[in-house]
Amino acid sequence: ETGVTQSPTHLIKTRGQQVTLRCSSQSGHNTVSWYQQALGQGPQFIFQYYREEENGRGNFPPRFSGLQFPNYSSELNVNALELDDSALYLCASSLWRGAAGYTFGSGTRLTVV
Amino acid sequence: DAKTTQPNSMESNEEEPVHLPCNHSTISGTDYIHWYRQLPSQGPEYVIHGLTSNVNNRMASLAIAEDRKSSTLILHRATLRDAAVYYCILSLTNSGYALNFGKGTSLLVTP
Repeated sequence: ETGVTQSPTHLIKTRGQQVTLRCSSQSGHNTVSWYQQALGQGPQFIFQYYREEENGRGNFPPRFSGLQFPNYSSELNVNALELDDSALYLCASSLWRGAAGYTFGSGTRLTVV
Repeated sequence: DAKTTQPNSMESNEEEPVHLPCNHSTISGTDYIHWYRQLPSQGPEYVIHGLTSNVNNRMASLAIAEDRKSSTLILHRATLRDAAVYYCILSLTNSGYALNFGKGTSLLVTP
């Protein structure tokens, strides 16, 4: 079975720009969640999609938005980038409620300058 | 949402057992206890999870206290490849049961 694939692996953007990160979920998984991990910190939950509907959101502003597609792949969009958005962005896929665990990708390292 | 408390760091000798503690005194009756680990420059990796009974798999064992307010992840024989940050996690019950990470325990394994 294939794991979770994220693209791109690294990205540099300028403050104020917009960025789209992509995630292909593991085969058979219908839930995708996104996390932001700052250096030296644990991942922070951004939002989660189950069968194309957002079913949970963490404490992130509306400029963080996402989509889940019929094949259960997903996008994370961030508008009006700020310097503090520099982080590792992780995508995880699972069955509903994390049954049998979440599979994480290796992440996208975003640097905002 | 309930939170977990873990030591910031622990150290172990190679080939010895490691017991990683976790406190979750505000856990609710339906919360699963999850353990993930993260190696440098990688995404978190599933280790084990359980609800009430102790659990074993090829990677580790999870011992859950009878009152469920604490748990212990047991690595039976630590190897150098087990050096990682270990996270004890409860679910975000109001957010689709996504994972509520804390800061984790950084495990150092010495030869």
